[in-house]
Amino acid sequence: GDSVTQMEGPVTLSEEAFLTINCTYTATGYPSLFWYVQYPGEGLQLLLKATKADDKGSNKGFEATYRKETTSFHLEKGSVQVSDSAVYFCALSVGSGGGADGLTFGKGTHLIIQP
Amino acid sequence: AAGVIQSPRHLIKEKRETATLKCYPIPRHDTVYWYQQGPGQDPQFLISFYEKMQSDKGSIPDRFSAQQFSDYHSELNMSSLELGDSALYFCASSGRVEGSQETQYFGPGTRLLVL
Repeated sequence: GDSVTQMEGPVTLSEEAFLTINCTYTATGYPSLFWYVQYPGEGLQLLLKATKADDKGSNKGFEATYRKETTSFHLEKGSVQVSDSAVYFCALSVGSGGGADGLTFGKGTHLIIQP
Repeated sequence: AAGVIQSPRHLIKEKRETATLKCYPIPRHDTVYWYQQGPGQDPQFLISFYEKMQSDKGSIPDRFSAQQFSDYHSELNMSSLELGDSALYFCASSGRVEGSQETQYFGPGTRLLVL
């Protein structure tokens, strides 16, 4: 079945450090890929997405590139802030011919940014 | 911008009781999804509806049922509640754009505690 593997952390960085959170996937079809962020006590917010190979999603300084050859969608940010502290989920959707398919999530990566 | 609305936000029930969670999708979205997130876990897909018909089914227990109504809101009915049902329940919605159902937008969640 479809699955997502991501580093679980916690990942602790200093403010202004470079961030990489690795995400790899296994899917039977051609998935769309997503990063969601969850702040403490809140719901999931879409951070960025990519729908086909070599697409780059970007938002709020975060970027991720859909790499079909390595089945990866790593999240990066050049300079993190304390406000980026949250749990980050990588997710995929295979989307079978327009059906409302559920997302498959990774286990989540808890990111802690220290001042 | 209008977001997904879930009610109630918090719910406390006893074992073997029933619970009903409600979800109001973003206006003009025709698809809703339900997820369950246990403490420290990733969200698990339960079920989805498109145009009032069940579309995809995940790990929804037989004790749970759901439906989507003519105004596109959805309800998740949970019976014979067990301690293990204590979790955060998310609803997400999406709209069909150019023939594809892709980006899901999440509500704030309903936190269910079963005593």
